Amino acid sequence: DVKVTQSSRYLVKRTGEKVFLECVQDMDHENMFWYRQDPGLGLRLIYFSYDVKMKEKGDIPEGYSVSREKKERFSLILESASTNQTSMYLCASRLHRGQGQRRGYTFGSGTRLTVV
Amino acid sequence: GENVEQHPSTLSVQEGDSAVIKCTYSDSASNYFPWYKQELGKRPQLIIDIRSNVGEKKDQRIAVTLNKTAKHFSLHITETQPEDSAVYFCAASWGSGNTPLVFGKGTRLSVIA
Repeated sequence: DVKVTQSSRYLVKRTGEKVFLECVQDMDHENMFWYRQDPGLGLRLIYFSYDVKMKEKGDIPEGYSVSREKKERFSLILESASTNQTSMYLCASRLHRGQGQRRGYTFGSGTRLTVV
Repeated sequence: GENVEQHPSTLSVQEGDSAVIKCTYSDSASNYFPWYKQELGKRPQLIIDIRSNVGEKKDQRIAVTLNKTAKHFSLHITETQPEDSAVYFCAASWGSGNTPLVFGKGTRLSVIA
Protein backbone atom coordinates (compact mmCIF):
# COMPACT_ATOMS: atom_id res chain seq x y z
CA ASP A 1 0.00 0.00 0.00
CA VAL A 2 1.09 3.55 -0.72
CA LYS A 3 2.02 5.43 2.38
CA VAL A 4 1.64 9.16 2.70
CA THR A 5 3.19 10.39 5.91
CA GLN A 6 2.71 13.79 7.46
CA SER A 7 5.40 14.66 9.93
CA SER A 8 3.20 15.99 12.73
CA ARG A 9 -0.26 14.98 13.90
CA TYR A 10 -0.75 18.05 16.09
CA LEU A 11 1.03 21.39 16.07
CA VAL A 12 0.58 24.54 18.11
CA LYS A 13 2.27 27.66 16.80
CA ARG A 14 2.24 31.34 17.67
CA THR A 15 0.93 34.10 15.44
CA GLY A 16 3.67 35.37 13.14
CA GLU A 17 5.76 32.20 13.25
CA LYS A 18 6.95 30.54 10.06
CA VAL A 19 5.50 27.04 9.96
CA PHE A 20 6.60 24.05 7.90
CA LEU A 21 4.29 21.09 7.29
CA GLU A 22 6.01 18.11 5.73
CA CYS A 23 4.56 15.34 3.61
CA VAL A 24 6.39 12.30 2.28
CA GLN A 25 5.10 9.54 0.01
CA ASP A 26 6.90 6.29 -0.70
CA MET A 27 5.50 5.13 -4.05
CA ASP A 28 7.07 7.43 -6.62
CA HIS A 29 3.87 9.39 -7.23
CA GLU A 30 4.22 12.39 -9.51
CA ASN A 31 1.28 14.42 -8.20
CA MET A 32 1.07 15.80 -4.67
CA PHE A 33 -1.53 18.08 -3.09
CA TRP A 34 -2.18 20.14 0.01
CA TYR A 35 -5.75 20.68 1.21
CA ARG A 36 -7.16 22.24 4.30
CA GLN A 37 -10.28 20.83 5.90
CA ASP A 38 -12.65 22.99 7.90
CA PRO A 39 -16.11 22.09 9.26
CA GLY A 40 -18.82 22.90 6.75
CA LEU A 41 -16.31 23.89 4.06
CA GLY A 42 -15.05 20.48 2.99
CA LEU A 43 -11.59 20.10 1.47
CA ARG A 44 -10.16 23.16 -0.18
CA LEU A 45 -7.07 23.00 -2.38
CA ILE A 46 -4.16 25.20 -1.31
CA TYR A 47 -1.38 24.15 -3.70
CA PHE A 48 -0.47 21.18 -5.81
CA SER A 49 2.57 19.90 -7.62
CA TYR A 50 2.45 17.65 -10.66
CA ASP A 51 6.17 16.90 -10.61
CA VAL A 52 9.47 17.79 -8.96
CA LYS A 53 10.07 21.54 -8.74
CA MET A 54 6.66 22.23 -10.25
CA LYS A 55 3.90 23.95 -8.28
CA GLU A 56 0.49 25.36 -9.03
CA LYS A 57 -1.82 27.50 -6.93
CA GLY A 58 -5.08 26.01 -5.82
CA ASP A 59 -8.21 27.81 -4.69
CA ILE A 60 -6.85 29.35 -1.47
CA PRO A 61 -3.07 29.92 -1.81
CA GLU A 62 -2.90 33.24 0.04
CA GLY A 63 -0.59 33.10 3.04
CA TYR A 64 0.97 29.80 1.94
CA SER A 65 3.86 28.64 -0.19
CA VAL A 66 5.17 25.20 -1.10
CA SER A 67 8.39 23.43 -1.94
CA ARG A 68 8.98 20.25 -3.93
CA GLU A 69 12.72 19.69 -4.25
CA LYS A 70 12.42 15.90 -4.28
CA LYS A 71 9.74 13.75 -5.80
CA GLU A 72 8.75 12.10 -2.53
CA ARG A 73 8.47 15.26 -0.42
CA PHE A 74 6.02 18.15 -0.63
CA SER A 75 6.25 20.86 2.00
CA LEU A 76 3.63 23.46 2.89
CA ILE A 77 4.93 26.69 4.37
CA LEU A 78 2.95 29.25 6.31
CA GLU A 79 5.09 32.34 5.91
CA SER A 80 3.61 34.16 8.92
CA ALA A 81 1.02 32.09 10.75
CA SER A 82 -2.29 33.70 11.58
CA THR A 83 -5.21 32.50 13.69
CA ASN A 84 -7.39 32.03 10.58
CA GLN A 85 -4.95 29.36 9.45
CA THR A 86 -5.96 27.14 12.35
CA SER A 87 -7.21 24.07 10.55
CA MET A 88 -6.68 20.43 9.62
CA TYR A 89 -4.16 20.14 6.78
CA LEU A 90 -4.28 17.09 4.55
CA CYS A 91 -1.61 16.04 2.12
CA ALA A 92 -2.41 13.66 -0.75
CA SER A 93 -0.55 12.00 -3.57
CA ARG A 94 -1.53 10.37 -6.83
CA LEU A 95 0.18 8.44 -9.56
CA HIS A 96 -0.05 10.35 -12.81
CA ARG A 97 -1.87 8.42 -15.47
CA GLY A 98 -3.37 9.29 -18.79
CA GLN A 99 -7.01 9.93 -19.32
CA GLY A 100 -9.24 7.00 -18.54
CA GLN A 101 -7.11 5.61 -15.77
CA ARG A 102 -7.94 5.49 -12.09
CA ARG A 103 -7.01 8.81 -10.55
CA GLY A 104 -7.85 8.51 -6.86
CA TYR A 105 -5.79 10.11 -4.14
CA THR A 106 -4.03 8.57 -1.18
CA PHE A 107 -4.26 10.89 1.80
CA GLY A 108 -1.97 11.38 4.75
CA SER A 109 -3.35 11.27 8.29
CA GLY A 110 -3.49 15.04 8.54
CA THR A 111 -1.87 17.71 10.69
CA ARG A 112 -4.12 19.62 13.04
CA LEU A 113 -2.56 23.06 13.33
CA THR A 114 -3.58 25.52 16.00
CA VAL A 115 -2.29 29.08 15.77
CA VAL A 116 -2.52 31.03 19.01
CA GLY B 1 -13.51 26.14 -12.90
CA GLU B 2 -15.32 23.11 -11.57
CA ASN B 3 -17.80 23.45 -8.71
CA VAL B 4 -19.25 20.47 -6.84
CA GLU B 5 -22.38 20.74 -4.71
CA GLN B 6 -23.22 17.95 -2.26
CA HIS B 7 -26.50 17.21 -0.44
CA PRO B 8 -27.55 16.63 2.23
CA SER B 9 -24.97 17.94 4.67
CA THR B 10 -26.21 15.56 7.37
CA LEU B 11 -28.15 12.32 7.08
CA SER B 12 -29.47 9.97 9.75
CA VAL B 13 -30.82 6.54 8.90
CA GLN B 14 -31.89 3.48 10.84
CA GLU B 15 -29.61 0.48 10.65
CA GLY B 16 -30.62 -1.65 7.69
CA ASP B 17 -32.14 1.21 5.71
CA SER B 18 -30.60 2.71 2.58
CA ALA B 19 -28.74 6.02 2.35
CA VAL B 20 -28.40 8.21 -0.72
CA ILE B 21 -26.03 11.16 -1.10
CA LYS B 22 -26.23 13.37 -4.18
CA CYS B 23 -23.70 15.60 -5.92
CA THR B 24 -23.92 17.95 -8.87
CA TYR B 25 -21.02 19.32 -10.87
CA SER B 26 -20.73 22.30 -13.14
CA ASP B 27 -18.06 21.43 -15.73
CA SER B 28 -19.38 19.16 -18.45
CA ALA B 29 -15.76 18.19 -19.23
CA SER B 30 -15.42 16.39 -15.88
CA ASN B 31 -14.93 12.70 -16.44
CA TYR B 32 -13.87 11.14 -13.14
CA PHE B 33 -16.00 10.99 -9.99
CA PRO B 34 -14.64 9.37 -6.81
CA TRP B 35 -16.24 9.04 -3.40
CA TYR B 36 -14.29 9.19 -0.14
CA LYS B 37 -15.23 8.05 3.35
CA GLN B 38 -13.69 9.74 6.37
CA GLU B 39 -14.22 8.14 9.76
CA LEU B 40 -13.78 10.26 12.84
CA GLY B 41 -10.14 11.19 13.36
CA LYS B 42 -8.98 9.31 10.28
CA ARG B 43 -7.87 10.14 6.77
CA PRO B 44 -10.31 10.15 3.83
CA GLN B 45 -10.25 6.85 1.97
CA LEU B 46 -11.42 6.12 -1.54
CA ILE B 47 -14.42 3.78 -1.46
CA ILE B 48 -15.66 3.81 -5.05
CA ASP B 49 -15.20 5.78 -8.24
CA ILE B 50 -16.81 6.05 -11.65
CA ARG B 51 -15.72 7.38 -15.02
CA SER B 52 -17.90 9.24 -17.44
CA ASN B 53 -18.18 6.35 -19.88
CA VAL B 54 -20.03 4.29 -17.24
CA GLY B 55 -23.53 4.95 -15.89
CA GLU B 56 -23.44 2.80 -12.76
CA LYS B 57 -20.95 0.86 -10.68
CA LYS B 58 -21.52 -1.44 -7.70
CA ASP B 59 -19.26 -2.84 -5.02
CA GLN B 60 -21.15 -4.99 -2.51
CA ARG B 61 -23.45 -2.63 -0.57
CA ILE B 62 -22.18 0.51 -2.27
CA ALA B 63 -23.18 1.81 -5.68
CA VAL B 64 -22.59 5.01 -7.61
CA THR B 65 -24.72 6.30 -10.46
CA LEU B 66 -23.85 9.03 -12.95
CA ASN B 67 -26.17 11.13 -15.08
CA LYS B 68 -23.97 13.09 -17.48
CA THR B 69 -26.85 14.95 -19.05
CA ALA B 70 -28.03 16.34 -15.73
CA LYS B 71 -24.46 16.57 -14.39
CA HIS B 72 -25.15 14.73 -11.20
CA PHE B 73 -23.92 11.59 -9.51
CA SER B 74 -25.07 9.76 -6.40
CA LEU B 75 -23.77 7.36 -3.78
CA HIS B 76 -26.14 4.62 -2.64
CA ILE B 77 -25.47 2.54 0.47
CA THR B 78 -27.83 -0.35 1.10
CA GLU B 79 -28.39 -2.30 4.33
CA THR B 80 -26.56 0.33 6.34
CA GLN B 81 -24.55 -0.67 9.38
CA PRO B 82 -23.21 1.39 12.29
CA GLU B 83 -19.70 1.21 10.80
CA ASP B 84 -20.99 3.13 7.79
CA SER B 85 -21.24 6.20 10.04
CA ALA B 86 -18.71 8.71 8.69
CA VAL B 87 -18.36 11.82 6.56
CA TYR B 88 -18.62 11.11 2.84
CA PHE B 89 -17.11 13.38 0.18
CA CYS B 90 -17.82 13.35 -3.51
CA ALA B 91 -15.33 14.81 -5.99
CA ALA B 92 -14.91 15.50 -9.69
CA SER B 93 -12.06 16.12 -12.08
CA TRP B 94 -11.44 16.28 -15.80
CA GLY B 95 -8.66 15.77 -18.27
CA SER B 96 -5.35 14.11 -17.63
CA GLY B 97 -3.96 12.79 -14.37
CA ASN B 98 -2.50 16.17 -13.38
CA THR B 99 -5.86 17.84 -12.76
CA PRO B 100 -6.77 18.15 -9.06
CA LEU B 101 -9.99 16.82 -7.64
CA VAL B 102 -12.66 19.32 -6.63
CA PHE B 103 -14.53 18.12 -3.55
CA GLY B 104 -18.04 18.60 -2.29
CA LYS B 105 -18.45 19.87 1.27
CA GLY B 106 -19.25 16.49 2.70
CA THR B 107 -22.19 14.58 4.18
CA ARG B 108 -22.16 13.38 7.76
CA LEU B 109 -23.96 10.03 7.79
CA SER B 110 -25.17 8.63 11.09
CA VAL B 111 -26.49 5.07 11.19
CA ILE B 112 -28.65 4.53 14.25
CA ALA B 113 -28.65 1.03 15.69
